[in-house]
Amino acid sequence: EPEVTQTPSHQVTQMGQEVILRCVPISNHLYFYWYRQILGQKVEFLVSFYNNEISEKSEIFDDQFSVERPDGSNFTLKIRSTKLEDSAMYFCASSPGQGSDTQYFGPGTRLTVL
Amino acid sequence: AQSVTQLGSHVSVSEGALVLLRCNYSSSVPPYLFWYVQYPNQGLQLLLKYTSAATLVKGINGFEAEFKKSETSFHLTKPSAHMSDAAEYFCAVEDSSYKLIFGSGTRLLVRP
Repeated sequence: EPEVTQTPSHQVTQMGQEVILRCVPISNHLYFYWYRQILGQKVEFLVSFYNNEISEKSEIFDDQFSVERPDGSNFTLKIRSTKLEDSAMYFCASSPGQGSDTQYFGPGTRLTVL
Repeated sequence: AQSVTQLGSHVSVSEGALVLLRCNYSSSVPPYLFWYVQYPNQGLQLLLKYTSAATLVKGINGFEAEFKKSETSFHLTKPSAHMSDAAEYFCAVEDSSYKLIFGSGTRLLVRP
């Protein structure tokens, strides 16, 4: 069964460093998402992406964040200058369409900013 | 704006007992509702979803949920808990821009 994959599973970085989180969505899906879950808190939406551009972004998704689909398979989230409060589990998701279509989630990348 | 409330951050049941996890939503439009499960150190897996067809939705692993518009609820149930059901369960509503709005989650503990 196709699944969303994410790398790395864990990432430890120093404050101020850039990180890139990688995702491979399910191959025939058209819509891509990033969510994050700070420890002990809700899963919260960051950004959605369709047709090579951002569809919507949350207040969290400020200028420090960017997303890219550099080729036909990868979907990346870049944090330019990490802050302590960026420490969280980051989930990538993809869906074939919108509305009632299911968003399929990857296993997540745990980011720790020291 | 849509929102989701899950009553009870922790629910503990005995193996074989009924599981009931509560979810109430707020939505200005007919909602699409989802239950996801997160096992330790894993991602979110879809259990079931409501998409305005049948109000009683059956999902994987014996779970089901009933959409009740009058109560704005979408509670998750399972007749008989199994040890393997121990996990965190998230209710979510899809908003008008197709992003998921999650509840705060309920951790299910299953006692032997």
